[in-house]
Amino acid sequence: GNSVTQMEGPVTLSEEAFLTINCTYTATGYPSLFWYVQYPGEGLQLLLKATKADDKGSNKGFEATYRKETTSFHLEKGSVQVSDSAVYFCALSDQNTDKLIFGTGTRLQVFP
Amino acid sequence: DTAVSQTPKYLVTQMGNDKSIKCEQNLGHDTMYWYKQDSKKFLKIMFSYNNKELIINETVPNRFSPKSPDKAHLNLHINSLELGDSAVYFCASSTRTVAKNIQYFGAGTRLSVL
Repeated sequence: GNSVTQMEGPVTLSEEAFLTINCTYTATGYPSLFWYVQYPGEGLQLLLKATKADDKGSNKGFEATYRKETTSFHLEKGSVQVSDSAVYFCALSDQNTDKLIFGTGTRLQVFP
Repeated sequence: DTAVSQTPKYLVTQMGNDKSIKCEQNLGHDTMYWYKQDSKKFLKIMFSYNNKELIINETVPNRFSPKSPDKAHLNLHINSLELGDSAVYFCASSTRTVAKNIQYFGAGTRLSVL
């Protein structure tokens, strides 16, 4: 079945450091891929998405590229801020049912 | 205006009780979902409704019964609550017609069963 695997956290960085959170997926067909972010005490917000191979999603300085050859959708940011501290979820959208299948989430902690 | 709103935000109750969580969306979406997030932050879909019809029902105990009176509302009723039901429950909505399956989430309902 479809699944998403994310790197385990927490990821701890100093402000202005480079961020990578790895995400790989297993799916039949051509799913859409998403990164959602959950700030403390809040619901999930869509951060970025990509709907086909080689698409790059970007938002708020975060980027991720849909790599079909490596079945990956790694999240990157060149310079993190304290306000980026949150839990980040990689997800894919099942083509047949539209349900989202989430990875386990990766907690990012950014210190000044 | 809140796009997807859930009530209550917190729910503390005893084992064996019956409780409901309500969800409303004002985005004009045709599909609504319930997700459960456990203590390790793992998120799993429970149900999905499209235009008031059930389209996804994962392996959820039948103590959980979703009800959709109209496409803007999807409520979750839980009978005979158990300790293992303690979690954060998120409602979400989406539409297929625009921006395929971008789901918008509510702020969550933290359920604690004592």
